[in-house]
This record gives sequence, C-alpha cells and structure tokens, in this order.
Amino acid sequence: EVQLVQSGAEVKKPGESLKISCKGSGYSFTSYWIGWVRQMPGKGLEWMGIIYPGDSDTRYSPSFQGQVTMSADKSISTAYLQWSSLKASDPAMYYCARHAGGFNPFDYWGQGTLVTVSS
Amino acid sequence: DVVLTQSPLSLPVTLGQPASISCTSSQSLVYSDGNTYLNWFQQRPGQSPRRLIYEVSKRDSGVPDRFSGSGSVTDFTLKISRVEAEDVGVYYCMQGLHWPITFGQGTRLEIK
Repeated sequence: EVQLVQSGAEVKKPGESLKISCKGSGYSFTSYWIGWVRQMPGKGLEWMGIIYPGDSDTRYSPSFQGQVTMSADKSISTAYLQWSSLKASDPAMYYCARHAGGFNPFDYWGQGTLVTVSS
Repeated sequence: DVVLTQSPLSLPVTLGQPASISCTSSQSLVYSDGNTYLNWFQQRPGQSPRRLIYEVSKRDSGVPDRFSGSGSVTDFTLKISRVEAEDVGVYYCMQGLHWPITFGQGTRLEIK
C-alpha cells in the first residue's frame, strides 16, 4: 500500500527555521517525484514545487522560488520542505503528494503538516 | 500561468440529486500526444485532497462511478449523478500540463 506519512504539527516564531518531512512507503521512492502543496487557512490549493528523490532534481513554482527549499534523503525514503526564516505569511497546511511524472500528478497524498507561526 | 476558473463556487445540492461543476482553462490542455490533461480532486472536511479523475474522464481506483468527467480543450465538467452525504467537501480542478501546475479556486458542495 502506497503511503506518505508527514511529520507532526509545528508551532514556531517568526524568523525561526523549520524543516518538515514526508516519508514514502509501499512503492519505489526514487522512481516518483514528490510534490508539495500549500493550503492557507480557509483557502485553496497552491503548488509549490516538486523534487525527484532519485537524483534530487528540484523544480520550484516561481511563487515559492527562494522562499523554501526542497530536499530528499533517498536512503530513508523521505522528502523535506524547509524554511530558513519563517514569516507571518507562512502559516498553512502543507501537503506532500506523489507525482508519477507526466502530466497527471498527485495520485497519493500525505495527511498534511500544520505550520503555525506566532510570536 | 494557466488560470482555471470554476463555477459555481458554492453548490447546495439535495441528497440523491445530480451535481455539476464547471472548470474553464485560460489555455488549451491538449498535449501533442493527443491527450488532454485535466484532473479533478475532492477534499472532504478535515481531510487531505484525493484525486478523483485524471485526463478529463478517467476515474482513479476506488472512485464511485457516480463521478464522471467530461470536456475538451479548455472547458471541462465534473458530474455527480446522485449526491450522497459523503460527497460534501471542496472540489478542485487542476492542470499539470503547463508549468507552474495550477488549481482552480475550488467549489464547495454542501447538502441542501
């Protein structure tokens, strides 16, 4: 069974760094891209970018380029999304999702990681 | 960026009645391989999104056959033949053909 399990909710202060994770199982982790999607409170879905764990090839949405960093550790089948300095605009639910390549992404999703930023 | 415009944004439906959601793309979603790349997702309250439909009309595994997708080029429709209580949530169309990937703004389906 394909599963993407994300790390737990985080409460951080503005300016702090953060790294959240997404662990894949039940499939060949290095053969599929992992995408990240933001959902701000009460809002819709926004695509942030994708990473290919096989070689760490990364593509960012222009809206998120320079704002976050995606990485992966294929030895433990885990992808990461990180911020060097959280902003007041970063609170959201962040989802990881599997992307088979091609043009039909996101067939499996993680449960989401809620990020709260509060002083 | 490709803009996907959904209508309506709010859809009250009586149980057992049909429902229809429209998605219009600002660009053609037809690729040179002849396929059209438009997906539909369902997000139930408090849950992660779930893909229902890919390539306009292909249902994902486990998706009830009361869900169907249709359309071509820039105009697409998701139909639910008979709405059930478990269908409550927000529905999004999404295109993966043009970068960046974009979603529609979402249509909230509720029971009347």
